Amino acid sequence: DTEVTQTPKHLVMGMTNKKSLKCEQHMGHRAMYWYKQKAKKPPELMFVYSYEKLSINESVPSRFSPECPNSSLLNLHLHALQPEDSALYLCASSQFGSGSTGELFFGEGSRLTVL
Amino acid sequence: RKEVEQDPGPFNVPEGATVAFNCTYSNSASQSFFWYRQDCRKEPKLLMSVYSSGNEDGRFTAQLNRASQYISLLIRDSKLSDSATYLCVVNGIGRGGGSNYKLTFGKGTLLTVNP
Repeated sequence: DTEVTQTPKHLVMGMTNKKSLKCEQHMGHRAMYWYKQKAKKPPELMFVYSYEKLSINESVPSRFSPECPNSSLLNLHLHALQPEDSALYLCASSQFGSGSTGELFFGEGSRLTVL
Repeated sequence: RKEVEQDPGPFNVPEGATVAFNCTYSNSASQSFFWYRQDCRKEPKLLMSVYSSGNEDGRFTAQLNRASQYISLLIRDSKLSDSATYLCVVNGIGRGGGSNYKLTFGKGTLLTVNP
């Protein structure tokens, strides 16, 4: 069982909808990540929060808006998405900030379909 | 040169076979190296870290050659349960440089172990 919990597991939304993906970890990790994974492709980094501050934004379009309310929670707000944004969105955490420890603990992902 | 490049695969091997995966990375400043395993429609999970001196965990051996910027994973006595995609992961520099290290995933190599 993963110690990083993501909700919802599946989400279908229209291009005009606003929705959010949520991620929670209670391992005391200080870095949290959003990755996007398309079928048969590797995960691609979107955002990194280190000690609750946005550390890395990999030039992600503004229709994706991350939020880190506290050290245990990470949200990804979605607005005006495109069908090509359909993918598996993976949340991960690591013990220390900015990937210095290496090991990422992934959630099971939220599978997003944009109609 | 891509940041992280892996054997494209797929690899189809019989049970009991030995199989090796190779990976090269472009950033000579990279300091952390990992092999992750991802089962179909599941999240990636850490298989093993890769240390400069090489390391072994049961049937799995990982090696690092910093001079050639090359990482390998050897699986001995393959089991059916080893069937998965194996992802080479390297840390690098996030946009903005400095100490904003990020983990970059290779495209992955699909392994199928056949009875």
